[in-house]
This record gives sequence, C-alpha cells and structure tokens, in this order.
Amino acid sequence: EAGVAQSPRYKIIEKRQSVAFWCNPISGHATLYWYQQILGQGPKLLIQFQNNGVVDDSQLPKDRFSAERLKGVDSTLKIQPAKLEDSAVYLCASSPLQRQGPIGYTFGSGTRLTVV
Amino acid sequence: SQQGEEDPQALSIQEGENATMNCSYKTSINNLQWYRQNSGRGLVHLILIRSNEREKHSGRLRVTLDTSKKSSSLLITASRAADTASYFCATTREYGNKLVFGAGTILRVKS
Repeated sequence: EAGVAQSPRYKIIEKRQSVAFWCNPISGHATLYWYQQILGQGPKLLIQFQNNGVVDDSQLPKDRFSAERLKGVDSTLKIQPAKLEDSAVYLCASSPLQRQGPIGYTFGSGTRLTVV
Repeated sequence: SQQGEEDPQALSIQEGENATMNCSYKTSINNLQWYRQNSGRGLVHLILIRSNEREKHSGRLRVTLDTSKKSSSLLITASRAADTASYFCATTREYGNKLVFGAGTILRVKS
C-alpha cells in the first residue's frame, strides 16, 4: 500500500513569511496527525484529526498555525507568520481506527522547514 | 510536555553486539511503540506492545514492558551498521490517540 505522502520535502523561508505543508494519509485511515520535531528532540503533536474533525489541538500555536482536513482525506498545515523557532521537521502520520488494529502509526518523510 | 525519557541518550557499539535502549514514561498507557528514524527522515514503526503484554519479539528486536515501573526496553540483537539511527519510544493512553514521544536514543553501529 502507498505510504503517507508529504510535500514539499524542504522549505526555506524568511521570518514573517507564510508557508503551507500538505499531507495525504494512507487510504482509509481515519486519523491524521501533524507533529513538529525540533532538532535533537522527539516529535510533539500539533494537531490530530479524526475524519474531518479536530480531536486535539491543545499544543497548536493558534495565533500563527492553522490546519484543515477537508473531506476527511488530505490535510494542510499553515504557518503565518513564521518565526525562527518554527524551524523544524513537520511530520504527518495516520492510523486506522481501533477496530482495525492496533498497529503502529504510519509516518510520512516529513517537511524540513528552515526559517531565516 | 513529552512524558517519555530514553536512556542512554547515545550509544555506540560494534557490529554484531547487542544494543539495549530503555524508556520510562509517567502516565497510564494503552500501548507503547518503538520507532526508528534515519537522519531526520520520517519515523518507521518497529514494534507495538500492549499494556497487558510483558514481552514481544520481532526478528532481531525484543521489547519488554513493565507497567509497574512504567518502563520499557528495546533490545536489538546482532546489530548491523544499517541499524544506525535514532530510536524513539512513544506511548498512547488509547489507540488512535496521540503518541507522546521521548527524546530518543542515538544508536551508532560501527563496522
């Protein structure tokens, strides 16, 4: 089966600019996650969707980050305006519902963002 | 905040040796998962152990879970240079909920 697709792979922007990341999860996976991984740290959840509804966005900096999952399939994560501390790898992951599992979550290759 | 902590932070061994990484967590869990990450790329799922399991094997991997101590260990036997990567443990209180990751262990296997 195809994996989790993410684009772009790399992005360099100046601070105060905006940027958007795209993710297409594994077909049929109801749950989609966006994680932020700062260099040298483990991934931290930004937002979790189940179908097209938000389950957890408690750690999403809502003044600058937004995300949507229209139609419950692919998703976009946006940062506007970007700050230097947003430099990180943004990982998208998906998982099936409990009744199909449990199995591990599937991660995309990530988008490496550098804010200069 | 991240609840998992891994030990050691970095580990360097010779090819053929065994590598053991430990993970501790703070809250009750439904399952614990181990992931591998090569050079800042995406995470690859290695193994999942449920809270009612104590030990699980997958190829050269052996995972143990001690819920009374809130700890887990990952053993990689007969390590290879290709095992060089960062290893993360992650927990979830309920399958389908967010994974909470530790800071990871950097493993280097020298050939």
